[in-house]
Amino acid sequence: SYELTQPPSVSVSPGQTASITCSGDKLGDKYACWYQQKPGQSPVLVIYQDSKRPSGIPERFSGSNSGNTATLTISGTQAMDEADYYCQAWDSSSNYVFGTGTKVTVL
Amino acid sequence: EVQLVESGGGLIQPGGSLRLSCAASGFTVSSNYMSWVRQAPGKGLEWVSVIYSGGSTYYADSVKGRFTISRDNSKNTLYLQMNSLRAEDTAVYYCARGGVGQQWLDYWGQGTLVTVSS
Repeated sequence: SYELTQPPSVSVSPGQTASITCSGDKLGDKYACWYQQKPGQSPVLVIYQDSKRPSGIPERFSGSNSGNTATLTISGTQAMDEADYYCQAWDSSSNYVFGTGTKVTVL
Repeated sequence: EVQLVESGGGLIQPGGSLRLSCAASGFTVSSNYMSWVRQAPGKGLEWVSVIYSGGSTYYADSVKGRFTISRDNSKNTLYLQMNSLRAEDTAVYYCARGGVGQQWLDYWGQGTLVTVSS
């Protein structure tokens, strides 16, 4: 089955840039998306189709996907961005595949 | 406005059955891929099942043969029938809508907690 791997944690200072990676075999050949989940809340889609932002998602969230790695970048990170982030890709045999999740801490 | 509201969770003994419901509003369930995703306490997201707009259904290996996804178009509601429940099925269960292109999940419900314990 298809697997996606993320670093368990990423720390960033307020105003700085946070980058979260998501690795999977030939992930660049698929569409990657990203969800933000704050404690006690449901996941929220922040990036879809590699780099598109849904309505209402701040411009500081951006995404890219190439080779075996997709990346979520948060520019000018704010305290409100502290959350768990999950990548996800579509695989024809596994349907929706989620990454292992990354906890972003804003120090 | 798109809304998804899950219900039906609760405490159930191992080996028991439970049916979850997800009432949708603001769109037509039968026009989208609709999924169930679960999250065990303190763990990550795990896709459970999907029903395509055409009616085909698919399951994660961990629930295949025990869970059944369905929908009632007249009620615009998604269901998950869960049988032979195990302790490892304990989780918050979310229903979610496939976005345009159906390869991502653009709207999620608030989740319903299922606890399997004696």
